[in-house]
Amino acid sequence: QAVVTQEPSLTVSPGGTVTLTCASSTGTVTSGHYPYWFQQKPGQAPRTLIYDTSNRLSWTPARFSGSLLGGKAALTLSGAQPEDEAEYYCLLAYSGGHVFGGGTKLTVL
Amino acid sequence: EVQLVESGGGLVQPGRSLRLSCRGSGFTFGDYAMSWFRQAPGKGLEWIGFIRKKAYAGTTEYAASIKGRLTISRDDSKSIAYLQMNSLKTEDTAVYYCTRDHCSGGPCPEYWGQGTLVTVSS
Repeated sequence: QAVVTQEPSLTVSPGGTVTLTCASSTGTVTSGHYPYWFQQKPGQAPRTLIYDTSNRLSWTPARFSGSLLGGKAALTLSGAQPEDEAEYYCLLAYSGGHVFGGGTKLTVL
Repeated sequence: EVQLVESGGGLVQPGRSLRLSCRGSGFTFGDYAMSWFRQAPGKGLEWIGFIRKKAYAGTTEYAASIKGRLTISRDDSKSIAYLQMNSLKTEDTAVYYCTRDHCSGGPCPEYWGQGTLVTVSS
């Protein structure tokens, strides 16, 4: 089974910009992996932010954007807010199933 | 308002079975595929499987790691999706989430339930 890798932790200043990435052990991440991004705050259920690489849900703030960058899926947060402090997970689709990354703990400080 | 409410979790002994339910409201349940995920304490998310809507024959797909012990079904007349778990192991201890999917080929989670905790222990 493929392994999906995310940065374990990142820190961003309030108002700053940060990019989280999602890499695949099988090689380049493409749109065919249908990358998803989820946000999870402590004690809460996950919330879907981005689907199919770059599509926002109706509740996803515009400061979140998804893309493919350097062979990886990427989630960019522009203008970080204190409430964006959370764990972020990516999900990639493979022919044998769907695999989550290990998550990135984002601190806004 | 779309709502998903999981239930059926609790403490269960290894080797026993448990059935989780996911009741949907605020939408036409039969028009959507549904997925199940889980999260072990302090760990990341894991995809379990999904069930297509009846228009796509209500077929299911599962993660290879599940190895046939977990089965997803649905009763659209009750707006409920089920996760039947057999031969439970301690490593099945997790919060189990259901999702409403926005596509047919899933999993493509859009809305999440609040989760139900399953603890497998003797």
